[in-house]
Amino acid sequence: GAVVSQHPSWVICKSGTSVKIECRSLDFQATTMFWYRQFPKQSLMLMATSNEGSKATYEQGVEKDKFLINHASLTLSTLTVTSAHPEDSSFYICSAESRLASSTDTQYFGPGTRLTVL
Amino acid sequence: KQEVTQIPAALSVPEGENLVLNCSFTDSAIYNLQWFRQDPGKGLTSLLLIQSSQREQTSGRLNASLDKSSGRSTLYIAASQPGDSATYLCAVAGYSTLTFGKGTMLLVSP
Repeated sequence: GAVVSQHPSWVICKSGTSVKIECRSLDFQATTMFWYRQFPKQSLMLMATSNEGSKATYEQGVEKDKFLINHASLTLSTLTVTSAHPEDSSFYICSAESRLASSTDTQYFGPGTRLTVL
Repeated sequence: KQEVTQIPAALSVPEGENLVLNCSFTDSAIYNLQWFRQDPGKGLTSLLLIQSSQREQTSGRLNASLDKSSGRSTLYIAASQPGDSATYLCAVAGYSTLTFGKGTMLLVSP
């Protein structure tokens, strides 16, 4: 149980286009989903926290108008990278927190999405 | 702001060796500490989770310890195998977020 999927697993796009990444909790309801970004040889950095039915909370330095997050249901959150540029090329990982969790020890991670912007 | 440091950044050992990966954190007010494994281009696999009230956790050849007061955790891998080659990430859970270290890249040669 507690499986999180991401789609697509990798994507290549042209500079200036928008890319949508989906994060789904397959067998549990996730009230909270997290989006992380990982540059090569760097640690995962939290970009934003999204709660179902409300606006996402972005970390300092993350442009909310560039990285649009929608958490429309308890099993799906989407991250849209708008007007992508080569510096947005990175590995994007989502995690989902179980609805029954009372602490942060039940974050389940997706397999990640590799974005390459040409 | 929590900061997590992992030492060494990279480690290369021959098969069969026992090894220790280190993780230190600056703020001891944590809920738990988690060790993950990440294979190249892949997502995270949770290895061990230690609650703040615990001292260690074991799973197979893996043993993780936690000394919250000194802000340190170690991941011990016994009898290493080539299949253990991966990046190992330490993550510390605060009130609402996880803070990750940069990881230790482990290579176990046959």
